[in-house]
Amino acid sequence: AQKVTQAQTEISVVEKEDVTLDCVYETRDTTYYLFWYKQPPSGELVFLIRRNSFDEQNEISGRYSWNFQKSTSSFNFTITASQVVDSAVYFCALGETNFGNEKLTFGTGTRLTIIP
Amino acid sequence: NAGVTQTPKFQVLKTGQSMTLQCAQDMNHNSMYWYRQDPGMGLRLIYYSASEGTTDKGEVPNGYNVSRLNKREFSLRLESAAPSQTSVYFCASSETRWGRMGNQPQHFGDGTRLSIL
Repeated sequence: AQKVTQAQTEISVVEKEDVTLDCVYETRDTTYYLFWYKQPPSGELVFLIRRNSFDEQNEISGRYSWNFQKSTSSFNFTITASQVVDSAVYFCALGETNFGNEKLTFGTGTRLTIIP
Repeated sequence: NAGVTQTPKFQVLKTGQSMTLQCAQDMNHNSMYWYRQDPGMGLRLIYYSASEGTTDKGEVPNGYNVSRLNKREFSLRLESAAPSQTSVYFCASSETRWGRMGNQPQHFGDGTRLSIL
């Protein structure tokens, strides 16, 4: 069965500090997909990134970067120079394909608080 | 473009009452999903529909029924609400294939906050 572990339940950092959110996954699939979603206090789910299992290249988007390592089954998310607007709950998710149907398994989320 | 629309946004029920949560998408997606979100639990899949006319159970289906009315609409019904079903419910939709780069896997609605007293 698929499983996603976000061991950090809550993190607080002072504004402008860097912060890394950890995500460890388990799957038997050889092809799978990893995602990060942000849920701000307003409650909606905002898609941040998708990574395919066959593409281990790390990605940077502005202050956000993601480190995908298949050897350790991890897909960690780093925010550089954090800002108050980054305060949210962040979810890591693992996707499987099943003959045209796509299912996501979510981690329990990490609540990030940026202290001004 | 509205994306995924859920109604209502908030609802309070008494134990034993029934209710249907509505979800509609305008992106011509084949797959639709219902999740519930509870504190500390992340999102858990209740039911999904891979295509019009088909539905399948997810991780936590007990106490719920679903209907895929047409390609656009996927409703979630609580026949006899229980306090344990107090949660935030999210509907989502997706294309059937993830092969295309840049595809957001699932588009989520804004959620329905349901309280059962």
